[in-house]
Amino acid sequence: KAGVTQTPRYLIKTRGQQVTLSCSPISGHRSVSWYQQTPGQGLQFLFEYFSETQRNKGNFPGRFSGRQFSNSRSEMNVSTLELGDSALYLCASRPGTAYEQYFGPGTRLTVT
Amino acid sequence: QKEVEQNSGPLSVPEGAIASLNCTYSDRVSQSFFWYRQYSGKSPELIMSIYSNGDKEDGRFTAQLNKASQYVSLLIRDSQPSDSATYLCAVNYGHFNKFYFGSGTKLNVKP
Repeated sequence: KAGVTQTPRYLIKTRGQQVTLSCSPISGHRSVSWYQQTPGQGLQFLFEYFSETQRNKGNFPGRFSGRQFSNSRSEMNVSTLELGDSALYLCASRPGTAYEQYFGPGTRLTVT
Repeated sequence: QKEVEQNSGPLSVPEGAIASLNCTYSDRVSQSFFWYRQYSGKSPELIMSIYSNGDKEDGRFTAQLNKASQYVSLLIRDSQPSDSATYLCAVNYGHFNKFYFGSGTKLNVKP
């Protein structure tokens, strides 16, 4: 089975711009979660989508949003980028009936 | 208060020794627990999951869970230099169905 894929792998944006990241889960996985990883804060939960519905949300501002499509692919959007948004954004998928999550390779976002 | 606590390390062990990694969590209703390995510049890789009190073994890895004391540990037997990585503990709080990660313990296995 193919693993979780994320695109793009690297991104450089300017403060104030917006960005959209994409995640394709493992085939058959209906749950997709997004995480932000920074050296200072570690791995922090952004949100989880299951069957096109946001099921959980972490403590991030409304500039961070996401959605999931009927094929379980998910996108995450960050508007009005700030320097502090520079991070590794990770997507993880799981079947939905089990708790084991599998991570994609991540998107490294740099905001200048 | 952090939900999941780990010693940041680094933890240094000689090749062939047992590495012991520990994690404590704050919520007694936690239902499932996970260990991930993350190499520098890579994404986390699932090593073990454990749901019930006691030990769970998978090859050189053993996860131990003690819900009464609210800790979970990972033992790595016959440690290899390739085990050098950061190990993340993750906890799923069932009633919110959210995952919380510890900050990770950096393990160095010296040849």
